Amino acid sequence: AQSVSQHNHHVILSEAASLELGCNYSYGGTVNLFWYVQYPGQHLQLLLKYFSGDPLVKGIKGFEAEFIKSKFSFNLRKPSVQWSDTAEYFCAVNPNFGNEKLTFGTGTRLTIIP
Amino acid sequence: DAGITQSPRHKVTETGTPVTLRCHQTENHRYMYWYRQDPGHGLRLIHYSYGVKDTDKGEVSDGYSVSRSKTEDFLLTLESATSSQTSVYFCAISGPDRDRMNTEAFFGQGTRLTVV
Repeated sequence: AQSVSQHNHHVILSEAASLELGCNYSYGGTVNLFWYVQYPGQHLQLLLKYFSGDPLVKGIKGFEAEFIKSKFSFNLRKPSVQWSDTAEYFCAVNPNFGNEKLTFGTGTRLTIIP
Repeated sequence: DAGITQSPRHKVTETGTPVTLRCHQTENHRYMYWYRQDPGHGLRLIHYSYGVKDTDKGEVSDGYSVSRSKTEDFLLTLESATSSQTSVYFCAISGPDRDRMNTEAFFGQGTRLTVV
C-alpha cells in the first residue's frame, strides 16, 4: 500500500517570503500526485496535479510542484506568498490504474504573517 | 464545484446512538470515499467504494460501516456512536476517466459530527 509523508507540520512565513513544502511518497508503481488546499472552515480544493509528462507542474494561485521520481518527492513551491495563502496543504497520491484509493499526508498548516 | 452533497452538515448525537451520514453525487463517478479529519492526523480513510455494492475498508474502519446501493449515494453509518468519533467527515468522489486512469478527487463540504 502507498503512504505519504509531509515532514513540515506547521510553517510560519512572512508575506513575500518563498515557500517550499515537502512531500514524499512510497509506492512501487506509477502514481498520480496531488496537492490540495483547505482554507479555514472550507473543504479541500485541488491546487495542482501530476499525471505524466513535464515533472514541473503549475497550479492555481501561482503554486507549482516538481515531481522527482528518483527521490519519490513532489514538493510544493511558491516564490512569494500572500496572507491569503494561509491554509492547510495536503499532499496525496493514488496509483495510475486500478482500484486503489487516494492516500493523503497528514497535512502542513501554513500561516502567513502580514 | 463537482456535484457532491453531504447531509447533514452538522449533527450532535448522544453516545450509543446510531448515526448515518449521506453522500450524494451527480457526476456518475465510480469511486466514493469517506474520510475523517482530526487535528494532527490529516485525512484518514474510513471506507471507500469502487462500484455499486463494492466497498473496502480504509485505515480507520472500526466502528463504521458503509453501503452503496446505487452509483450516486454512499452512506456512512456509525452503529453506536462514541466520543472518539467526534470529527469532521468528508466525502470524496473520483473517476476513472475513459482511459481507465485514476483521476483527482473532489470533496464535499463536510459534516461536523459531535458525539456527547
